[in-house]
Amino acid sequence: EDKVVQSPLSLVVHEGDTVTLNCSYEVTNFRSLLWYKQEKKAPTFLFMLTSSGIEKKSGRLSSILDKKELFSILNITATQTGDSAVYLCALDSGGYQKVTFGIGTKLQVIP
Amino acid sequence: DAGVIQSPRHEVTEMGQEVTLRCKPISGHNSLFWYRQTMMRGLELLIYFNNNVPIDDSGMPEDRFSAKMPNASFSTLKIQPSEPRDSAVYFCASSFTRGSTDTQYFGPGTRLTVL
Repeated sequence: EDKVVQSPLSLVVHEGDTVTLNCSYEVTNFRSLLWYKQEKKAPTFLFMLTSSGIEKKSGRLSSILDKKELFSILNITATQTGDSAVYLCALDSGGYQKVTFGIGTKLQVIP
Repeated sequence: DAGVIQSPRHEVTEMGQEVTLRCKPISGHNSLFWYRQTMMRGLELLIYFNNNVPIDDSGMPEDRFSAKMPNASFSTLKIQPSEPRDSAVYFCASSFTRGSTDTQYFGPGTRLTVL
């Protein structure tokens, strides 16, 4: 059975700090790894990673995948209170986009 | 573009009642997904459709749950009879599948409370 494990479960940082969120996985048929941000509503897409070692970047957020060690990290630099959310890691492992989600990391950024 | 539309946004019902959740995917998308999210279990895939056909319903918790997609622009998730443990936020998502991963766009969710 495919598995996604995120850590830490919860994180509180001050504005301006840099955070690293971890996602490890077990999968029989890897297609891609996805990161989502969920505030008080539906998840919104951040990144899709398919190849090892290639960093995806969007503003202060970046992510990278290691397919040999089966993990991905999501970095947020110079955090802002608007970054407070649950960050979900998800694994696409099958036909027709069967996606398995991790439990999420709850990030709280305090002023 | 309207995005994925779900209704109702909130529902409170009594145990034993039938509950029907509705979803309208983004026009042109050919895959539709129903998820359930709780604090304890996170986001779980219940069922997904491709071209209106159910592909995998192994995530459906039990026979009380059923889902239909009569056409490309509408899907329902029904719980009959409902139980307090069904209380959760139910998300519908859609995507356009081209043989590789495509982003799933989520609806706003339906918050269900079963008393």
